[in-house]
Amino acid sequence: DVKVTQSSRYLVKRTGEKVFLECVQDMDHENMFWYRQDPGLGLRLIYFSYDVKMKEKGDIPEGYSVSREKKERFSLILESASTNQTSMYLCASRPDGQGNQPQHFGDGTRLSIL
Amino acid sequence: GENVGLHLPTLSVQEGDNSIINCAYSNSASDYFIWYKQESGKGPQFIIDIRSNMDKRQGQRVTVLLNKTVKHLSLQIAATQPGDSAVYFCAENTADSWGKLQFGAGTQVVVTP
Repeated sequence: DVKVTQSSRYLVKRTGEKVFLECVQDMDHENMFWYRQDPGLGLRLIYFSYDVKMKEKGDIPEGYSVSREKKERFSLILESASTNQTSMYLCASRPDGQGNQPQHFGDGTRLSIL
Repeated sequence: GENVGLHLPTLSVQEGDNSIINCAYSNSASDYFIWYKQESGKGPQFIIDIRSNMDKRQGQRVTVLLNKTVKHLSLQIAATQPGDSAVYFCAENTADSWGKLQFGAGTQVVVTP
């Protein structure tokens, strides 16, 4: 089974802090994704990476950055956390180059910015 | 997440009955569709997928139907069980989108004994 692991289930940070959310997958997948999930808004794509050191903006990249130094790890960075970034953050991965494949998700990090 | 079910349409189903969850998609270029299940406090879990060259695909207790003419997707769950209570999302993917998915809003399924 695919295993996508997000380092924290719950995280509380303060406004202005730099926040790192970590995601690791164990299936050698090329593509990785970061989403946020908010009631009434569904899942929205923040950033994705189609391979190591590659990154692409999703639909809502403002206030975020990402890092993909190793294939298995994709980090989401909140440069200066704000209260409107309080949300559930979900990481996903999928293999590339094999036709259509589903994304596999971690269990999420619930981030609260005070 | 814990409150992902807020603001969502709800389907109440009696245990043992069949469930049908519907999803309309908008992009006629979408060629791959996925159904996910999200239980409270967990991430979305892959259930079943279907490619646009198919109309129907069956899994264990689940069937996905695709009607490209009206851009409609449905998930049927046979003999619904309490463990099927969750939010169900459809997602669509276009061939040139780097595997990016567009998610539907979701449907909350509540199974009553």
